[in-house]
Amino acid sequence: KAGVTQTPRYLIKTRGQQVTLSCSPISGHRSVSWYQQTPGQGLQFLFEYFSETQRNKGNFPGRFSGRQFSNSRSEMNVSTLELGDSALYLCASSFGSYAVVGNEQFFGPGTRLTVL
Amino acid sequence: DAKTTQPPSMDCAEGRAANLPCNHSTISGNEYVYWYRQIHSQGPQYIIHGLKNNETNEMASLIITEDRKSSTLILPHATLRDTAVYYCIVRVSPTSGTYKYIFGTGTRLKVLA
Repeated sequence: KAGVTQTPRYLIKTRGQQVTLSCSPISGHRSVSWYQQTPGQGLQFLFEYFSETQRNKGNFPGRFSGRQFSNSRSEMNVSTLELGDSALYLCASSFGSYAVVGNEQFFGPGTRLTVL
Repeated sequence: DAKTTQPPSMDCAEGRAANLPCNHSTISGNEYVYWYRQIHSQGPQYIIHGLKNNETNEMASLIITEDRKSSTLILPHATLRDTAVYYCIVRVSPTSGTYKYIFGTGTRLKVLA
């Protein structure tokens, strides 16, 4: 079974631009979660989508948004990029919502975003 | 939110047990403890989770103290491939309607040949 895939793997943008990252979950998984990983803040939860609906949300500004399609693929968008948005963005999928214990998350390799 | 505290780094000899501690003194009664690890350049990988009782699977054992203020992840026979950053995580129950995982800063485990 193929794992979680994320595209692109690397991205360079400038301040003020917007960016869209893509995540394809493991086949059959309906939940997709997004995380931001930085050296200073570590791994921080952004949001979770389950069956095309945002189920859970972390403490990030509205510039960070996402959506999920009917095939469970998900995209994350960051508008008006800031230098501090430079990070590794990780996507994780699980069969059911991670709110239910037992639905372990499978992480993709991440997209490394650099904002200049 | 509950937070976890972990030592920043540890070394372990190959073939020996690696015991990774985690302090989560502010955890609530229904909040689960998870462990994930992250090998360089890869996404985190699930290891194990527990609530009150000790748990064991093919990868590791999780020992949770009776007061639930701390736990220890045990890799019984560490190999070089276990070198990674190990995260102790609390799954926070919703107060505002949101479940979320609170990741600690992680312990960088180095397994030595």
